[in-house]
Amino acid sequence: AQTVTQSQPEMSVQEAETVTLSCTYDTSESDYYLFWYKQPPSRQMILVIRQEAYKQQNATENRFSVNFQKAAKSFSLKISDSQLGDAAMYFCAYRDRTGTASKLTFGTGTRLQVTL
Amino acid sequence: GAVVSQHPSRVICKSGTSVKIECRSLDFQATTMFWYRQFPKKSLMLMATSNEGSKATYEQGVEKDKFLINHASLTLSTLTVTSAHPEDSSFYICSARDVWDNEQFFGPGTRLTVL
Repeated sequence: AQTVTQSQPEMSVQEAETVTLSCTYDTSESDYYLFWYKQPPSRQMILVIRQEAYKQQNATENRFSVNFQKAAKSFSLKISDSQLGDAAMYFCAYRDRTGTASKLTFGTGTRLQVTL
Repeated sequence: GAVVSQHPSRVICKSGTSVKIECRSLDFQATTMFWYRQFPKKSLMLMATSNEGSKATYEQGVEKDKFLINHASLTLSTLTVTSAHPEDSSFYICSARDVWDNEQFFGPGTRLTVL
């Protein structure tokens, strides 16, 4: 079974600075998706960024980028120019690419605080 | 992105009663819907996966007779918590995946409190 590990329960970053959230996963599959989701205090899950395992290029979305190391099974999220609105729980998630009912496996989450 | 709604957003009920939570995909067809439970400051725990027109697949440890899931159409799935007890109090989140299997969109969640 696939597992996702987030080893940082809490992180803190100053506004305008850069922070990196760590995520490792375990799978025997070669084709899969990896995601970072944000859950603000409203508890609405928001997709931050998605990476397809067959793509070597790291995904980027504005201030958010990932460092995808397939051999090491590592998928970290870098948030640049942090803003107060970035404060939230961040969940790393894995999903097999094949199978229409394949499910997301979530990590335990990292709570990000953004300070002035 | 696509929108998934949940109703109600918050419900308080007495122990022993049943509660139904609706999950709708508003602007897309969802062949697959997922129901999660989330405890405070914890991750999402998948309860079941439902496909339109077929029986839901429950995760290990989830009582299917207690958490009834119906996915009657491509835009609606319901979760009914039967004979609710205080330990069923939690935050329930639904999610829907579009027919192209590209993205999974989440509802805003329902907070259930059982007195």
